[in-house]
Amino acid sequence: SQELEQSPQSLIVQEGKNLTINCTSSKTLYGLYWYKQKYGEGLIFLMMLQKGGEEKSHEKITAKLDEKKQQSSLHITASQPSHAGIYLCGADEEIQGAQKLVFGQGTRLTINP
Amino acid sequence: NAGVTQTPKFQVLKTGQSMTLQCAQDMNHEYMSWYRQDPGMGLRLIHYSVGAGITDQGEVPNGYNVSRSTTEDFPLRLLSAAPSQTSVYFCASSRDRDSYEQYFGPGTRLTVT
Repeated sequence: SQELEQSPQSLIVQEGKNLTINCTSSKTLYGLYWYKQKYGEGLIFLMMLQKGGEEKSHEKITAKLDEKKQQSSLHITASQPSHAGIYLCGADEEIQGAQKLVFGQGTRLTINP
Repeated sequence: NAGVTQTPKFQVLKTGQSMTLQCAQDMNHEYMSWYRQDPGMGLRLIHYSVGAGITDQGEVPNGYNVSRSTTEDFPLRLLSAAPSQTSVYFCASSRDRDSYEQYFGPGTRLTVT
């Protein structure tokens, strides 16, 4: 089965600084998702990438999928306290005709004022 | 729409007790799933359902049962709770098995003593 490795596992940055979270797959990615989780809340879908070289942005968050489709990065520009939380990458895996998502272990992001 | 709702939010069980975690969605989604989240391990799929009356096992199904008698509801049953089942449980739904955007509930934090 597919394995997703996220790095770093935790990250503490000063408010206003930029940061990057990486997600690396053991297999070619055909659908890569980024989710955010705040403590005590469910996951919030951020972005989905499918094509090699694809890049998507939402407000100050940009996600990229490399050309080989085995690595994705999530970049936050000018971080704010609202960006704090756990970021999870997920990937499609089809098993017996049903879509399933496998996830990385998550990156805990703390923003210091 | 309420989206995906889960009850209870918190639960403490003694080893050997049984209970049901409730999950409901009001978006008429066909696909529903249960995940557990443990520190450092990300989300792992327990069971999923592609429609009413159809369920299947995910990555970590042992110790859990599910049923899908209606489109809206997808309860997760613990027949005999064990300390290893201490975790945060998330229910998710999506329009169908091919839809990539999953909606997550707020989670249930379960402690088994």
